[in-house]
Amino acid sequence: EVQLVQSGAEVKKPGESLKISCKGSGYSFTSYWIGWVRQMPGKGLEWMGIIYPGDSDTRYSPSFQGQVTISADKSISTAYLQWSSLKASDTAMYYCARHENSAAAWGWFDPWGQGTLVTVSS
Amino acid sequence: EIVMTQSPATLSVSPGERATLSCRASQSVSSNLAWYQQKPGQAPRLLIYGASTRATGIPARFSGSGSGTEFTLTISSLQSEDFAVYYCQQYNNWWTFGQGTKVEIK
Repeated sequence: EVQLVQSGAEVKKPGESLKISCKGSGYSFTSYWIGWVRQMPGKGLEWMGIIYPGDSDTRYSPSFQGQVTISADKSISTAYLQWSSLKASDTAMYYCARHENSAAAWGWFDPWGQGTLVTVSS
Repeated sequence: EIVMTQSPATLSVSPGERATLSCRASQSVSSNLAWYQQKPGQAPRLLIYGASTRATGIPARFSGSGSGTEFTLTISSLQSEDFAVYYCQQYNNWWTFGQGTKVEIK
């Protein structure tokens, strides 16, 4: 079974750093892109960025470029999303999802991790 | 950026009835469109990709149609487990999601 398991909920203060994780299993981790998606409280889904663990090729949504860093450690089949200085507006649920290859330039996301809730509050 | 607009924002439907959800793209995305279902407290789940292909394990009562800029998700006979928020997503040019349609019990 293809599965993505994310790290647990985090409560941080503004200005602190954070790195959350997403561990893949049940498939060749280096052969599929992994995307990150933000969902702010009561809101919709926003694509943040995507990484190819095979060679760490990374692309960012313009809205998130410079705000977060996406990385991966293929030796442990884990992708990461990190912040160097959190803001209250980073409070959200963050999902990782495996990107499915398609005949088009890009594809859909399936499956999704269970989500990591990040709360930033003083 | 391609903007995806879903309508209506909320759809009130009785169990057993048909639900029709719409999604419009600001420019053509060909058939590079997916639909996801999200229940409260859960991660999104893929329903449809390629505008009309059901994902593995998705019941036949879910169907997708459309191409270019106009797309539809139809749930032929709503079951209790289908009340949720539905998102469309284009993947023709990076990824953007619609704002979601909440299907609620009438």
